[in-house]
Amino acid sequence: DSGVTQTPKHLITATGQRVTLRCSPRSGDLSVYWYQQSLDQGLQFLIQYYNGEERAKGNILERFSAQQFPDLHSELNLSSLELGDSALYFCASSPGELAGADTQYFGPGTRLTVL
Amino acid sequence: AQKVTQAQTEISVVEKEDVTLDCVYETRDTTYYLFWYKQPPSGELVFLIRRNSFDEQNEISGRYSWNFQKSTSSFNFTITASQVVDSAVYFCAHDSWGKLQFGAGTQVVVTP
Repeated sequence: DSGVTQTPKHLITATGQRVTLRCSPRSGDLSVYWYQQSLDQGLQFLIQYYNGEERAKGNILERFSAQQFPDLHSELNLSSLELGDSALYFCASSPGELAGADTQYFGPGTRLTVL
Repeated sequence: AQKVTQAQTEISVVEKEDVTLDCVYETRDTTYYLFWYKQPPSGELVFLIRRNSFDEQNEISGRYSWNFQKSTSSFNFTITASQVVDSAVYFCAHDSWGKLQFGAGTQVVVTP
């Protein structure tokens, strides 16, 4: 158990809908990262938040957004969903701001299925 | 741009054999970090090892060992005396500015 929690575990929805994925980092970690794992694209970095502020951005679509709240939990919002958004979404956390300087510990993931 | 290549798609071994996973990376950064993660069938990503670009010392940790060679941009990972529980997808990853770049992964199948 990494100490990172993600809810829900599974999510099934229809095209065009909007969903919110939630992540709670390990105790004491200030950075939260979101990743998408799909068969087509593999594991891709989406976005990082550090202590409430956006720190780094990867291949995140404009239809996706994220935020980190004062209690450090984070939410990833996916809107206007398409079939291709079906994937496993991981959250990870680390203590500091620079990802490489710390190890990222991953949550169990949320499996999103868009029908 | 950073790139991580894991040329081996799948490796099948019999229990107790050693398994070496290859990883080659491309980077323009002088300071960077390299990682190995394991993804068992249950789906979670498990951290295995981390190395920074200034430390080429190769180490052994239990049944795991790694060979970091900056001159060839390689960061290979070896499982000694493999066990069925080692069956998983193994990902090599590179990080320099907060963006973890993963390779495509190598599926390791260990049969009894």
